Amino acid sequence: QKEVEQNSGPLSVPEGAIASLNCTYSDRGSQSFFWYRQYSGKSPELIMFIYSNGDKEDGRFTAQLNKASQYVSLLIRDSQPSDSATYLCAVNANNNDMRFGAGTRLTVKP
Amino acid sequence: EAQVTQNPRYLITVTGKKLTVTCSQNMNHEYMSWYRQDPGLGLRQIYYSMNVEVTDKGDVPEGYKVSRKEKRNFPLILESPSPNQTSLYFCASSLTGSLNQPQHFGDGTRLSIL
Repeated sequence: QKEVEQNSGPLSVPEGAIASLNCTYSDRGSQSFFWYRQYSGKSPELIMFIYSNGDKEDGRFTAQLNKASQYVSLLIRDSQPSDSATYLCAVNANNNDMRFGAGTRLTVKP
Repeated sequence: EAQVTQNPRYLITVTGKKLTVTCSQNMNHEYMSWYRQDPGLGLRQIYYSMNVEVTDKGDVPEGYKVSRKEKRNFPLILESPSPNQTSLYFCASSLTGSLNQPQHFGDGTRLSIL
């Protein structure tokens, strides 16, 4: 079983819709959770991080964490074509151990 | 400008010819790390360093070496590259290695080993 799992997609949504990206993790000791965006051929860039159960909002992005279910999600409201990218979920269980999912490819159609 | 700089960006070489990919950061970060990214597998950690002269293995260290003689530099060394090391490599750094520190990534190095 992969330690951090994401649906590879592609996930396709129309412009203006809400995109919902999901991630599950296996290590119950995981304590911090990150979402990175990666455009094709580019390096990952941080979008959001979350440590506590519940929701965290930043502009059009909302991260949701449910530690009991070992589940973290990213919602993108009012999706734009410029949001089309691969989204990487990363989970940090120990100080030195950041584990990444394989990523979900999102396409926002005009 | 705060950044992580990798060189070279692209390299095509042959099996067995030693190569080094350099990584330098100008943010005075303590923690540095190397990842490889392969289709369907995501980012996998090769080696990391908590600080100068402190390095440790990640998930896939075989065939790689690193050193951390200075805080800003963390080179990745392939002593005898093989075709299965063909991949996209990223260097990353963070202020510390603690749980709540996001990582800043370099632009990547695409290696092709023939």
